Amino acid sequence: EPEVTQTPSHQVTQMGQEVILRCVPISNHLYFYWYRQILGQKVEFLVSFYNNEISEKSEIFDDQFSVERPDGSNFTLKIRSTKLEDSAMYFCASSEGTARDTQYFGPGTRLTVL
Amino acid sequence: GIQVEQSPPDLILQEGANSTLRCNFSDSVNNLQWFHQNPWGQLINLFYIPSGTKQNGRLSATTVATERYSLLYISSSQTTDSGVYFCAVGLVGTSGSRLTFGEGTQLTVNP
Repeated sequence: EPEVTQTPSHQVTQMGQEVILRCVPISNHLYFYWYRQILGQKVEFLVSFYNNEISEKSEIFDDQFSVERPDGSNFTLKIRSTKLEDSAMYFCASSEGTARDTQYFGPGTRLTVL
Repeated sequence: GIQVEQSPPDLILQEGANSTLRCNFSDSVNNLQWFHQNPWGQLINLFYIPSGTKQNGRLSATTVATERYSLLYISSSQTTDSGVYFCAVGLVGTSGSRLTFGEGTQLTVNP
């Protein structure tokens, strides 16, 4: 069964550094998403991406964050100048054709900012 | 924004017991998914169920969209069912597709 993959599984960085989290969505899917989950809390929406542009973003997704689909398979989340409070699990998800379709989640990248 | 409330927040069962988890939401939705977060943090899709009833093995789910709630039933629970169960909803009318998650139900199944 096709699945969403994410790399790395765990990233440790120093405060102020830039990180890029990578995702490979399911190949025939058209919608892509990033969510995050701070330890012990619920999962929160960051951004959705469709047709090579952001379709929706949350109030969390400020100028520190950016997303990109650099080629036909990868979908990336860049966090500039990381802060301690950016430490969280970041999940990538994809869905097939419409906003109503099932979203399939990747295994997550655990980001630790020291 | 839409509010999602899950109950109970914590549930402890003996292996073999049955349970019902509830998800209430504050507005009409066009997407509702149930997830199981395992001890490694992975979110496992259980059901896509914006309305109606579905069953998959020992798990089943029912969503009554007109009354804005969904139920997840776990029968004959096993220790491997332990983890956090999340309900997540997508809101009708938005061009985007964000899922709003509830706080989750922490399920512990003891042998």
